[in-house]
Amino acid sequence: DGGITQSPKYLFRKEGQNVTLSCEQNLNHDAMYWYRQDPGQGLRLIYYSQIVNDFQKGDIAEGYSVSREKKESFPLTVTSAQKNPTAFYLCASSTQLAGAYEQYFGPGTRLTVT
Amino acid sequence: KQEVTQIPAALSVPEGENLVLNCSFTDSAIYNLQWFRQDPGKGLTSLLLIQSSQREQTSGRLNASLDKSSGRSTLYIAASQPGDSATYLCAVKGPRSNSGYALNFGKGTSLLVTP
Repeated sequence: DGGITQSPKYLFRKEGQNVTLSCEQNLNHDAMYWYRQDPGQGLRLIYYSQIVNDFQKGDIAEGYSVSREKKESFPLTVTSAQKNPTAFYLCASSTQLAGAYEQYFGPGTRLTVT
Repeated sequence: KQEVTQIPAALSVPEGENLVLNCSFTDSAIYNLQWFRQDPGKGLTSLLLIQSSQREQTSGRLNASLDKSSGRSTLYIAASQPGDSATYLCAVKGPRSNSGYALNFGKGTSLLVTP
């Protein structure tokens, strides 16, 4: 089955701790994305990557970091600098960044920080 | 910056009704428009993708139209069923911004179809 997997499904952390969310895809897509979803708001872009070893900040990158060492993997680290980290995090991928390609989404990780 | 608006925010209909969800966007220089479905606590499922050069796309009981010049799209659901209950999200790609070619999302329409 081709698709995007995210783990874990639920994550609980204490304030001040860094946490890493996993995203893996076997669709052979070049481009990958991280979005954040909060109640009553649309999805907002955190980071995106169009190719291995390259990534760019999205609209709300402060307090987050990413890496893209392999084509199929795009982990997101939520650092202690992120002021409101509790949210639903969604990873996505597409064939390429530019052009009219469909984006596919993973099942999401719900992060709760107390 | 591209702004995407979805109306209504919530909708409740009896089973069997045909219904229309609306999406508008402020900048017509888009590459494509996608409609997604999201069930509570789940990820997004892509329903339909309309390229900027297309006027509509159909999949089963779903039909999405695109009027790029007026900045509007509609999602038509025929013969609604309780299983259609979910949040429907509209997203446009473009124009290119500081965030590259990422999708710009509306806040969604929450649909409830009652038996």
